[in-house]
Amino acid sequence: KNQVEQSPQSLIILEGKNCTLQCNYTVSPFSNLRWYKQDTGRGPVSLTIMTFSENTKSNGRYTATLDADTKQSSLHITASQLSDSASYICVVSDRGSTLGRLYFGRGTQLTVWP
Amino acid sequence: EADIYQTPRYLVIGTGKKITLECSQTMGHDKMYWYQQDPGMELHLIHYSYGVNSTEKGDLSSESTVSRIRTEHFPLTLESARPSHTSQYLCASSDKSRTGAPGGTDTQYFGPGTRLTVL
Repeated sequence: KNQVEQSPQSLIILEGKNCTLQCNYTVSPFSNLRWYKQDTGRGPVSLTIMTFSENTKSNGRYTATLDADTKQSSLHITASQLSDSASYICVVSDRGSTLGRLYFGRGTQLTVWP
Repeated sequence: EADIYQTPRYLVIGTGKKITLECSQTMGHDKMYWYQQDPGMELHLIHYSYGVNSTEKGDLSSESTVSRIRTEHFPLTLESARPSHTSQYLCASSDKSRTGAPGGTDTQYFGPGTRLTVL
């Protein structure tokens, strides 16, 4: 069964600290993996996208890694800011159909305290 | 920032009412999607469209219906709302990634969502 599991479910850190969010998946055949940021009451916004040949991708203070062999990904946030408080969703796409089926994790709820 | 809009943002209605959630995008995307999301849970695809006059049901069974008469417009309708329909509804549209990789590389752009509460 294709699944995407994220950990931790929630995380609280102090402003300025770093953190790492985890994503494990069983989706096959794998096409790509995305990290989205979803602010409360808003739609998700794409942060990074990685195909199987990429093992790291950065977007400002966000750095995503991918290990296609172990089917794991992480999202590292450096020097956190209050505006980083949001849900971070890992989304994996298969390549078994033209639609590009997306499998969503439940997200990690990150809270940054001042 | 993606140009995809949803109205209303919040809706509270009584059981049995007919409602239509609006979604429009100005990016000329062919593919559009409706997702349902409950708090703390993953997004579930309920409808999608490849283009005008194309609509398909998603993975999660839904009593809602959709139509795609114009490229930019993808409304979702509930003929008779029930409390079980209370949820957040997210609309998205997608284009083709420039990587040229095979299927599944579309980047989906999401609207802000409609928070529906049925009393």
